[in-house]
Amino acid sequence: NAGVTQTPKFQVLKTGQSMTLQCAQDMNHEYMSWYRQDPGMGLRLIHYSVGAGITDQGEVPNGYNVSRSTTEDFPLRLLSAAPSQTSVYFCASSQQGGGAFFGQGTRLTVV
Amino acid sequence: GQQLNQSPQSMFIQEGEDVSMNCTSSSIFNTWLWYKQEPGEGPVLLIALYKAGELTSNGRLTAQFGITRKDSFLNISASIPSDVGIYFCAGRPSGTGGFKTIFGAGTRLFVKA
Repeated sequence: NAGVTQTPKFQVLKTGQSMTLQCAQDMNHEYMSWYRQDPGMGLRLIHYSVGAGITDQGEVPNGYNVSRSTTEDFPLRLLSAAPSQTSVYFCASSQQGGGAFFGQGTRLTVV
Repeated sequence: GQQLNQSPQSMFIQEGEDVSMNCTSSSIFNTWLWYKQEPGEGPVLLIALYKAGELTSNGRLTAQFGITRKDSFLNISASIPSDVGIYFCAGRPSGTGGFKTIFGAGTRLFVKA
C-alpha cells in the first residue's frame, strides 16, 4: 500500500543549485498537487495538475516548474534554489471531489 | 486570492475536555475538509463535507459545513493525549472544478494528561 511516495525525504542545497523533488502515486488519481509548508502559514499551493499533460499554477508558483507526463508521476523542479525556498514540501493526490492523500514530505534546506 | 481564516491558532487543554475549532472564508466553498498532521508526517484526512448544513462524525470528531458555505467547524469530544497535532481546515472554492484546495494556517492542539 504505497499511496503517495516522495523522494528524497531530506535535502540540502546551495543557493543557485537546481534539483527535482519526485512524487509518485499508485492510486490512479487524476489530480496531483504540490504544497509548501512554512511555520504558521499552513500549506500553500505551488502547482497542480488535473491529469496527464495538464498543469496549472497555484498560490506561490514562482521559482518552481512542474510537468505531468504520466498519471502516476508529478515532479517538482527548483530551477535555481534560494534560501526563501527552505521549507517542507508535500505532494498530494486525489480523485475529483475527494479528499487528498499526502506524501510524507521532503524537508529542503537552501544555504 | 482566496484565504481561509482558522482559529484558534493553538489550544492547550486537559485530557477529557471537548475542543472546538473553526474556519471561515470570504468566498463560497463547495467542499470543506479537515486534516490532522502529526510531527514528521503529511496531513491525514479526518472528515470531508460536501453539502451546506452537513454534519458528519468520525469517532469522537464531528464537523459541520456551515449554512452560508463560508465556514466550517470541527469538534473533538473527550480529548485524549493522542489527539495532539495540528488540525487543518481546507476548502475547495466554488467554480474550481472540484480540484483546487486551499488550506487554513492550522490549529495546534496540546493535550495534558
